[in-house]
Amino acid sequence: SQQGEEDPQALSIQEGENATMNCSYKTSINNLQWYRQNSGRGLVHLILIRSNEREKHSGRLRVTLDTSKKSSSLLITASRAADTASYFCATDFTLTFGKGTMLLVSP
Amino acid sequence: DADVTQTPRNRITKTGKRIMLECSQTKGHDRMYWYRQDPGLGLRLIYYSFDVKDINKGEISDGYSVSRQAQAKFSLSLESAIPNQTALYFCATSGLNQPQHFGDGTRLSIL
Repeated sequence: SQQGEEDPQALSIQEGENATMNCSYKTSINNLQWYRQNSGRGLVHLILIRSNEREKHSGRLRVTLDTSKKSSSLLITASRAADTASYFCATDFTLTFGKGTMLLVSP
Repeated sequence: DADVTQTPRNRITKTGKRIMLECSQTKGHDRMYWYRQDPGLGLRLIYYSFDVKDINKGEISDGYSVSRQAQAKFSLSLESAIPNQTALYFCATSGLNQPQHFGDGTRLSIL
């Protein structure tokens, strides 16, 4: 299985703003997941989107999937300081992860 | 995730020492994993086990060994620790075709 590549590597925003991060992958997939990692803690699974879905919502999270472009985006609306973390994407329950996007939300 | 428990949480030791990191889970998952994370790098897979009798090397297994003592327990050993093994170590579990659940990590420093 392949790993996803997150972009940008780092993102800094103010509280209340929206944060968008992207994931690209190379081959066809069945599903894609997003994880969050708070500093020094283990990854936490946020959301899974299947290849036949184009958009999925969970609270302030919105995930889109474009299989033609082999890419996904994670949008966090109305960001809070508590959203400060690294975010990783993973395809098809891969055993490998990329370097993630480090999000800093300032008060 | 309290369902995946790693011990110890922090460990400082000296070069050449043998170290064991332990992981236990109450999720009933067959699959367990060990990763290390270094600053600025992603998680790198050390070993994984799909059931008690199945152990597989990951991308960076050199210098490490594992033991799957039971479905719920998966330990990682550093036979002779060296400073470049200083890192944050994570254990994770999953069911078949399910997302992974991670422990809170072990911060290991080798002097």
